[in-house]
Amino acid sequence: SQQGEEDPQALSIQEGENATMNCSYKTSINNLQWYRQNSGRGLVHLILIRSNEREKHSGRLRVTLDTSKKSSSLLITASRAADTASYFCATDMRFGAGTRLTVKP
Amino acid sequence: DAGVTQSPTHLIKTRGQQVTLRCSPKSGHDTVSWYQQALGQGPQFIFQYYEEEERQRGNFPDRFSGHQFPNYSSELNVNALLLGDSALYLCASSLGGNEKLFFGSGTQLSVL
Repeated sequence: SQQGEEDPQALSIQEGENATMNCSYKTSINNLQWYRQNSGRGLVHLILIRSNEREKHSGRLRVTLDTSKKSSSLLITASRAADTASYFCATDMRFGAGTRLTVKP
Repeated sequence: DAGVTQSPTHLIKTRGQQVTLRCSPKSGHDTVSWYQQALGQGPQFIFQYYEEEERQRGNFPDRFSGHQFPNYSSELNVNALLLGDSALYLCASSLGGNEKLFFGSGTQLSVL
C-alpha cells in the first residue's frame, strides 16, 4: 500500500525554471524523504525532513513539511537537463507513484 | 566503499517457476528492505530484514519470502511466479529502520 501521493504526475519545464512537486500522506510520520530515480534504475536519496522541521535546504533543493495538512513540497531551483528524472516521496518505508520531471534544454 | 549490489541484473522466468534474487548491503549497514516496482509506478514495499528476521512486511502474498544472513546480505524468493510478478526488484540498505535508504540498481524480472 502506498503512503504518499505525488502531484503532479508529470511536469515539463524549460532549463533554468523552477520545479515544484507536492506530496500528500495519510498518517502521522517521524520523517519524510524525497528520492530521485533516473531511467527506472536505483533510487537516490535527496533529502530527509523530520516531523518537527518545517523547511530544509540542500543545494538547489528546498523541502517544506506541513504536518497539519499532511503534505510536503520539493522545490528544485534553476533546473538543469540533468534533473530530468522521477521524484518520489516516502514515509514509513512506503513510496508514492512519483512525479515525472522533464527539463528541456 | 561498495554500495548496494544486486544480482542478477536481468532474469527471465516462466510462469510457475521459482526465483531467488540476491542483495549485498552497503558496508556498515545492517538492515535490508526489498521493493517491487512495476513500469511507471512507485516502489512497493515487500519486506524489511534486520538481525536476520523479518521486521516489517508490506501487502504481498506468502509466495514472497526472504532471508537475511549473518553478514547482512539478503535474498528474496518468489514462488509460483505469475505474469504480474514481472517488475524491477529493488533492494535498499540502511543503518537501522526508516532512515536514509541506499538502493541498488535492481533486478529486472520478466515472467513469460
